[in-house]
Amino acid sequence: QKEVEQDPGPLSVPEGAIVSLNCTYSNSAFQYFMWYRQYSRKGPELLMYTYSSGNKEDGRFTAQVDKSSKYISLFIRDSQPSDSATYLCARGGGNKLTFGTGTQLKVEL
Amino acid sequence: DGGITQSPKYLFRKEGQNVTLSCEQNLNHDAMYWYRQDPGQGLRLIYYSQIVNDFQKGDIAEGYSVSREKKESFPLTVTSAQKNPTAFYLCASNRDSGANVLTFGAGSRLTVL
Repeated sequence: QKEVEQDPGPLSVPEGAIVSLNCTYSNSAFQYFMWYRQYSRKGPELLMYTYSSGNKEDGRFTAQVDKSSKYISLFIRDSQPSDSATYLCARGGGNKLTFGTGTQLKVEL
Repeated sequence: DGGITQSPKYLFRKEGQNVTLSCEQNLNHDAMYWYRQDPGQGLRLIYYSQIVNDFQKGDIAEGYSVSREKKESFPLTVTSAQKNPTAFYLCASNRDSGANVLTFGAGSRLTVL
């Protein structure tokens, strides 16, 4: 079993839709969770990070961690074509980050 | 502006050749990392360095080597022993040592002909 599991997609939604991206993880010892956004042929950029359980909101983005079910979610409200990218979840702790495989999102006009 | 610079952006090499990818950061971060990205496999850790003159193997270190002689620099050599070197290579540094929040460079695409 991979430490972080993520549906690779692709996921296609119309502009303005609410997008839900999800990951599961297997090791409950780690406390930090991140979401990175990666445009094609670019390096990933940090979107949000959360500590332990709960929600964190930043503009149109909300990150949610449910430690009881080992579930990480990213919600994007009022999605825009510029949100089209690959979204990588990761869990942190110790000396490294462990990433999911990434979900490719396309927001269509 | 502070950031991570990777070069070259694109690199072609023949089988049997070693190649070195450059990574320089001016963020004053202590820790630096090399990841490899392949389609459908996400990012996999090759090597990381928490401090100058020290580095550790990651999950897929075989066929790679690194050095950390300066805080700002963490070059990666892809040796001829790496069986499948064609990939997108990403260098990163650690912004927050407790949470492992990484800042990434723009990547280097290596193609073996």
